[in-house]
Amino acid sequence: GQNIDQPTEMTATEGAIVQINCTYQTSGFNGLFWYQQHAGEAPTFLSYNVLDGLEEKGRFSSFLSRSKGYSYLLLKELQMKDSASYLCAVRDLVTGGGNKLTFGTGTQLKVEL
Amino acid sequence: KAGVTQTPRYLIKTRGQQVTLSCSPISGHRSVSWYQQTPGQGLQFLFEYFSETQRNKGNFPGRFSGRQFSNSRSEMNVSTLELGDSALYLCASSFTSEGETQYFGPGTRLLVL
Repeated sequence: GQNIDQPTEMTATEGAIVQINCTYQTSGFNGLFWYQQHAGEAPTFLSYNVLDGLEEKGRFSSFLSRSKGYSYLLLKELQMKDSASYLCAVRDLVTGGGNKLTFGTGTQLKVEL
Repeated sequence: KAGVTQTPRYLIKTRGQQVTLSCSPISGHRSVSWYQQTPGQGLQFLFEYFSETQRNKGNFPGRFSGRQFSNSRSEMNVSTLELGDSALYLCASSFTSEGETQYFGPGTRLLVL
C-alpha cells in the first residue's frame, strides 16, 4: 500500500511562485500524478512523473525523487484562478498492471492579491 | 472529443436502498476506474475495469461492485446503502490500463438519508 503526505493548506500571492510538496511511502511505485481540483468540480490532470527529475509544462513543473519518496509541484506566476486543491497521487505497482492510484488528501491553495 | 460522462449527477437515497451509477469513458478508452471522494478520507480507489474485466480492487466492502460492458461503459452498484456512503463518486478513464493519464468525469454526488 501507499502512504502519502502533503500540506493541508497554503497561501500565496498573485504573481508569486509556490511549491507544494508531497512525500510518499510505497510498497511498489509506478508513477506519480498531480491533479488540480476546483471546488465542486472533477480533478484535472496537471503532470506525471515516473523517472527522477523535473517535468515542465508552462507555468507548472513537477519534480520527482524516487529514492527519497518525494515530489513537488511548482506553480509560477500565480493567478487567482490557481486557487484550488492540488492532489498528489501515486500509482501502485500491481501484479498484472493497471491503474490503482492512491491519493493524498490534497493541498488547498489560496491565491491572494 | 467528448469527455468522461457520468449519470446521474445527483442522487438522494435512503439507508438500505441500492444505487447504480453509470460512467461513459472517453471514446477509445478501455480502462475505467472508480473513486469515492469524501471530505474526511479524500479520494479513495474503488476498482478498475479493463476490457470488461476487473483489474484492481480497493479496500471497500462487497456492497460495492461494478462491471464494464463491451463498449467500455461501466456501472458501479452499491447495495444496502449506509449513511457513510454519502460521497462524490468519480470515474476516470484512460486509453490503456497503465502508462496513461486518467481523465475524470464530473462525478455523481450521492446523499444517503
